[in-house]
Amino acid sequence: EAGVAQSPRYKIIEKRQSVAFWCNPISGHATLYWYQQILGQGPKLLIQFQNNGVVDDSQLPKDRFSAERLKGVDSTLKIQPAKLEDSAVYLCASSPRTGRKAGELFFGEGSRLTVL
Amino acid sequence: AQSVTQPDIHITVSEGASLELRCNYSYGATPYLFWYVQSPGQGLQLLLKYFSGDTLVQGIKGFEAEFKRSQSSFNLRKPSVHWSDAAEYFCAKRNFNKFYFGSGTKLNVKP
Repeated sequence: EAGVAQSPRYKIIEKRQSVAFWCNPISGHATLYWYQQILGQGPKLLIQFQNNGVVDDSQLPKDRFSAERLKGVDSTLKIQPAKLEDSAVYLCASSPRTGRKAGELFFGEGSRLTVL
Repeated sequence: AQSVTQPDIHITVSEGASLELRCNYSYGATPYLFWYVQSPGQGLQLLLKYFSGDTLVQGIKGFEAEFKRSQSSFNLRKPSVHWSDAAEYFCAKRNFNKFYFGSGTKLNVKP
């Protein structure tokens, strides 16, 4: 079974530039999460999708961050314009709603963003 | 508010020694609890989970954790640490399909 795929793995940009991250969850996983992980901290939820609908985006800085999950499969997280404090690893995770693994989170390897 | 606390930021143990990583959680009569491990440059991998039943749960790589409701704790243990266990460990709690993570404990293993 293929895992959660993310790209790019690394991105370096200057402040005020834009960046986009892509995530393809495990096939059949209805729930998709984007987390921000700043160095030395635990993952912090940015946005949660159930199929193609947003369940929770209360922690998403909507003035600069946006995310979509068209067709309820893969997802894109965009930052525009980036700030220095956006330097972090952006983790995508997915979770099945049914089956033996229901309620577990499966993570991708993350996309590391450095903003200069 | 929902929270997960990992009081130890860094822990160093000698290879072959036993390990215990602490985790405390808030709220939830029947919490769903997890331990994840993160190696440098990697995503998080599930070590074990507790949903209900036996309070001592076994996971991968020889890890186990014990759920203690009276102490609101879910500590991770391993009887003999290997050098490859050096990584960061995160405790997490799930509440209505939302996950709350602790700040992590970084494990160093001395040869």
